[in-house]
Parts: sequence; C-alpha cells; structure tokens
Amino acid sequence: NAGVTQTPKFRVLKTGQSMTLLCAQDMNHEYMYWYRQDPGMGLRLIHYSVGEGTTAKGEVPDGYNVSRLKKQNFLLGLESAAPSQTSVYFCASSWGIIQETQYFGPGTRLLVL
Amino acid sequence: AQSVAQPEDQVNVAEGNPLTVKCTYSVSGNPYLFWYVQYPNRGLQFLLKYITGDNLVKGSYGFEAEFNKSQTSFHLKKPSALVSDSALYFCAVRGASYNQGGKLIFGQGTELSVKP
Repeated sequence: NAGVTQTPKFRVLKTGQSMTLLCAQDMNHEYMYWYRQDPGMGLRLIHYSVGEGTTAKGEVPDGYNVSRLKKQNFLLGLESAAPSQTSVYFCASSWGIIQETQYFGPGTRLLVL
Repeated sequence: AQSVAQPEDQVNVAEGNPLTVKCTYSVSGNPYLFWYVQYPNRGLQFLLKYITGDNLVKGSYGFEAEFNKSQTSFHLKKPSALVSDSALYFCAVRGASYNQGGKLIFGQGTELSVKP
C-alpha cells in the first residue's frame, strides 16, 4: 500500500495564479483532511470530507476550495493564489473521526511570489 | 475551546539519556490524545495515542506517553534517546465530539535534538 500520496511535491506560483493539489489514499478511508503547516503554528485544518461527495469547512478555509468526487481522492484548489498561502500542505485520511488515527501524506511545499 | 500547548520550542538531550517532550491540553469531555513525529521534509508519522484505559501508552520506536487527567498532560518519553530521534514532535488532541469532522488540534511542535 502506498498509503497517502500527494502531488505535486513542490510548486512555485505567482500571485493570482490558480492550482490544484491532489491527495490520494489507497486505504479505503472515509474521512479525508487538508491541513496547512506554518512555522510555530502547528497544523491547521483547511477543509475536510466525511465521505465521497461531501466537503466541509475547517478552521482556515478562506481562499481554498475542495472536491471529493471519488472516495480515494481529495482535491484542494487555490483559485487566486496569494503570498499568505505560502505554506506546506498536508493531506490526511482516517477510518473514523473520533478515536481513529489520521495518516498523513508527505506534503506539498507551495511558494507564492 | 480545545487547545494544546507544547511549552518547549526545543529540547536538547545527550544520546543515551532519557527524554521528555511536554504537552498539556484543554478539552471539554474526554480527550483523545496523539503524538506525531515529523522528520525533515517528510510528512507526519503517527507515534501513539491515548483513547481510554491504561494511562501509560506505548508506541513506535520505543516511545511512550503518560496520560495525567488531573494535570491535563500527555508527556512523551523515551528511556534512552538516539541521535535518530532528532525531529519535530507534535502533540494533538481531539475532543469526544463530531464537531468539524473530529479535527485534530495540534500544538506548535517541539524540536528534539539528540547529540552524540
């Protein structure tokens, strides 16, 4: 099993450009999450999904959109990138939502100039 | 509101010595507590979790953590540190609620440095 994979690994964008980050998991998990990691702030939840076709806002959703058309994939979109979105983005997935462990992907490093 | 605090930005330990990485939490109801480790340029790896039962939880790579309800703490420990343990460690808490899909609240992280 590959676990949780993310593409791309690294990307540089100019302000105003758009892009989509792809997360894929092969563990048949129902729940998927997008976090961003910034120095000294731990990880903060952007959006999450409790199943195929469903998405919901997390702690810092502004400027991002998500889609979960297939159970194994969770896409994070930036419609108009801003320098404040420079960060490392992590995707995670889990069987359940309370007691279950979340498993993380390797991350996408995004630089917005 | 749920919160997690890791009071030390950095912990320095000599190889072979015991290590402790501190974590305190605030959550309404029963907490579910997790420790993750992040090596440079890698994703987070799960170490251990406390859900219920024995207050001493054993995890991967020889790590353990002790849940202390009265002190609202969940400190990570290892009896004998290795240089390869050097990494960034995150404590996380989830309350017993389905709010926000059971999101994890993370501490800011503690950089562990083990010197030979």
